[in-house]
Amino acid sequence: AQTVTQSQPEMSVQEAETVTLSCTYDTSESDYYLFWYKQPPSRQMILVIRQEAYKQQNATENRFSVNFQKAAKSFSLKISDSQLGDAAMYFCAREAYKYIFGTGTRLKVLA
Amino acid sequence: DTGVSQDPRHKITKRGQNVTFRCDPISEHNRLYWYRQTLGQGPEFLTYFQNEAQLEKSRLLSDRFSAERPKGSFSTLEIQRTEQGDSAMYLCASSLDGRDNEQFFGPGTRLTVL
Repeated sequence: AQTVTQSQPEMSVQEAETVTLSCTYDTSESDYYLFWYKQPPSRQMILVIRQEAYKQQNATENRFSVNFQKAAKSFSLKISDSQLGDAAMYFCAREAYKYIFGTGTRLKVLA
Repeated sequence: DTGVSQDPRHKITKRGQNVTFRCDPISEHNRLYWYRQTLGQGPEFLTYFQNEAQLEKSRLLSDRFSAERPKGSFSTLEIQRTEQGDSAMYLCASSLDGRDNEQFFGPGTRLTVL
C-alpha cells in the first residue's frame, strides 16, 4: 500500500523557536511530488511547500524548509522563527495525481 | 473571491436521507477532486475529474455515492440513504492539469448524520 506516515500527532514550540515535523512515505515510483499543507482551525487547507523528488536540493519558502531524504523516503518540515499564526494541523502529502495524506500533526505555538 | 467554493458549509441530516453538495472550482482549473476527512484523520481521496470525465473512484465511494461534473465546471457529490458513518468533512479541490500542480482546496462541507 502506498502510505504516508506522520508519527507525531501533536507538537509544541515556543514562539520564535524552531520545530521539525516528520513525515515518511512509501512509493515505488522514482519521480513524484511531495507537499506540506497547513489547515488552520475551521479554515481551508493551504499549501506550505512542495518538493520534486528528482531535485536533490531541499525546497525553501521563507521560514519553511524541508529535509528531503529520498533513499529513506523521509520528508520533514522545519519551521523557523515560529509565529502564533503557524498554529494549525500540518499534513504531509504525496502526489499520485491524487494526494495521499498523512494523519496530520497538530502544531501548538506557545507565547 | 476566485478560490474554490463549496455549498453548503454545514449540513445536518437524518439517517436515510439523501444529500447533495456542490463545488465550484477555480475557473481555469480542469481537474477537480473530492476528499473526505474524518476527525483526527487526513483527507482521503474519493474521486477526481478531468474536465467532465470522472477518471477514478476510490473504493471508499460506495454505490450510495455519486459525483458529477456535467459541463466540466462545477461538481456535485450526492450521498443517498445517508448513514451515521458518512458524517465527515467533504473537501473539494481543483488544479490545473499536470502532476506538480498545486491543488487548491475549498472550505469543505461538514456533514452530520443523526
